Amino acid sequence: QSALTQPASVSGSPGQSITISCTGTSSDVGGFNSVSWYQQHPGKAPKLMIYEVSKRPSGVSNRFSGSKSGNTASLTISGLQTEDEADYYCSSSTSSSTRVFGGGTKLTVL
Amino acid sequence: EVQLLESGGGLVQPGGSLRLSCAASGFTFSAYAMSWVRQAPGKGLEWVSSISGNGATTYYADSLKGRFTISRDNSKNTLYLQMNSLRAEDSAIYYCANVRPGAFSEYWGQGTLVTVSS
Repeated sequence: QSALTQPASVSGSPGQSITISCTGTSSDVGGFNSVSWYQQHPGKAPKLMIYEVSKRPSGVSNRFSGSKSGNTASLTISGLQTEDEADYYCSSSTSSSTRVFGGGTKLTVL
Repeated sequence: EVQLLESGGGLVQPGGSLRLSCAASGFTFSAYAMSWVRQAPGKGLEWVSSISGNGATTYYADSLKGRFTISRDNSKNTLYLQMNSLRAEDSAIYYCANVRPGAFSEYWGQGTLVTVSS
């Protein structure tokens, strides 16, 4: 159960777009459409932003979008806003019926 | 309003035990699988364990090596995590969360802090 691979940090200016990658294997990301993304502000619980690769929960801005190609999933945030500054985690189900998270990406809005 | 309220965390000595609880309200608890996810200080999220809605099926992270046991009491709308033989590396905030069929969690508790130290 190795953690999914995410960049440790990304940054962007307000109004710009950024993409966070999440790389796994054919036993997790590549094998299932069960990739989800979570936003976590300091001292807070994670918040679901994307589920089943590209679906957005009610109430989540359409500036957030998700996709997947092969063993790599991606989260794109367009029109960056200062409140988007947070840690982001991807997650996937696995062939062992378990779950695995990525190591997390710190987004800095410059 | 959906609420997940964890309790039972605290300071425990290495080798000791703790039982965490997660009281659920605002949704049909028995209809959902549930998970425990932990986060060590300054570190990322780590999936710990999941349990099916009726409690019949459980899953654990390999790293736990049989030390933790997840359970639930649907009559009390409560999820549990029994943690034995605790180690310093088990120190973390422990979150409970629901699990939808697509393996995602829309509801999270606020977490309970477990500190393993002598």
